This record gives sequence, structure tokens and C-alpha cells, in this order.
Amino acid sequence: QSALTQPASVSGSPGQSITISCTGSNNDVGGYNYVSWYHQHPGKAPKLLIYDVTNRPSGVSPRFSGSKSGNTASLTISGLQADDEGDYYCCSYTTKSTRVFGSGTTVTVL
Amino acid sequence: EVQLVESGGGLVQPGGSLRLSCAASGFTFSRSWMHWVRQAPGKGLVWVARINSDGFSTSYADSVKDRFIISRDNAKNTLYVQMNSLGVEDTGMYYCARQESGIIAMDVWGQGTTVTVAS
Repeated sequence: QSALTQPASVSGSPGQSITISCTGSNNDVGGYNYVSWYHQHPGKAPKLLIYDVTNRPSGVSPRFSGSKSGNTASLTISGLQADDEGDYYCCSYTTKSTRVFGSGTTVTVL
Repeated sequence: EVQLVESGGGLVQPGGSLRLSCAASGFTFSRSWMHWVRQAPGKGLVWVARINSDGFSTSYADSVKDRFIISRDNAKNTLYVQMNSLGVEDTGMYYCARQESGIIAMDVWGQGTTVTVAS
């Protein structure tokens, strides 16, 4: 199972909005509404931001939102803040009942 | 406090074996599905394996199938992964993660344990 495709890096200024894409296939992203997003600061464990494409766990800021169209899911971060820097990963359920992560995107706040 | 604590990592020679453990606390472990996820140094997250709540259903990434075995002891609130025939490509940080009932995502993560495969 190849990793889902994410842009290597995305940057934005404080207060701006950015969007990270996550492209898969009909066997994963396009076939199920089970895409999740994670944020990882360097040297730390990942943190769940979004599950089931659009849902935010309790305690996650509403600045984070998810969507999906066809085989591509997206994470939008609005009102970009310094603490939003780090790596972001998407993850999808697959037809084999496995999971597959995206290649990861490094977000830089300018 | 909901917590996952991994242990068992270390240095192992190519071809060797290692068993990792993940101790769970602060939630009803027996109701949660569990995952192992790994991350090679400087690289991205890679899903490794998953086990359902009663331990009778498992699935694996192709890269570890037939070499790794995920298991759990609900009486001890502990998740395991037995890793055999280890290669240098298995080097990395290994995280255990919880999949809470009702969602298809990993909502709680441990801090990880490091596995180094080298001669």
C-alpha cells in the first residue's frame, strides 16, 4: 500500500488560511468517509485533529476543518498561529481493512 | 488520565526478534481497538497493524505481514507486537494508539519506544 500523496510543505503568514491536500484512490480516500488528520510537533507523538473526514474531537480548535471530494481529502487551518507549525498527516481506511497514512506535510508559519 | 506507555524497544541485530508492549490506563481497554504505527528517523508515519477489542481480528501492513504479530491481554490492559526477522528497514519509533469505539481514527497515542536494527 503506497502512502497517500500530500504536498511536502505548505506555508502561510499568521492569521492566514492554508489547505493541505491528501490524494488517494477509490480503494481508500475515495471509497470511505474514514479520513483522519494528525498534527505532530518535532519529537512528539501525533495528535488527532479530524476524524471521519469532517469531525473534530473534543478540545480541538474549530480553526481546523476537513473536507473531501472524490479521491482527495483536505485539511484547512484558518487563522494560522505559530503553534500550528509542524508535520501534518492524513490517514485513510482501506478496502483491505488496513490503514494508510499520507506522506506528510510540513507547515511553516512565516 | 487516559494514557498509553510503550516499552520494550532497543538495539537488535538484523534477523533478530523483539517484543514491544503498550500499557493502557484511564479508559476501558477491552472496548477499544488498538494500532501500532511506526516512524523511521526523519520520515513519515507508517501504519503497522491493528487488533480489534477482543483480539480475534487483526490486520497488518504488507511490509510486516508474516513477520509481526499483534496481540493483547485485556486482563492486563496491555497491547503487544512480536516482531520477528527484523531488518534495518524496521528501525524507528514505534507508537501504540487507541481507536475509540465508534470512530475510525487513532485518538490517543503513546510517546513511543525506539527500535534500532543494526549489526
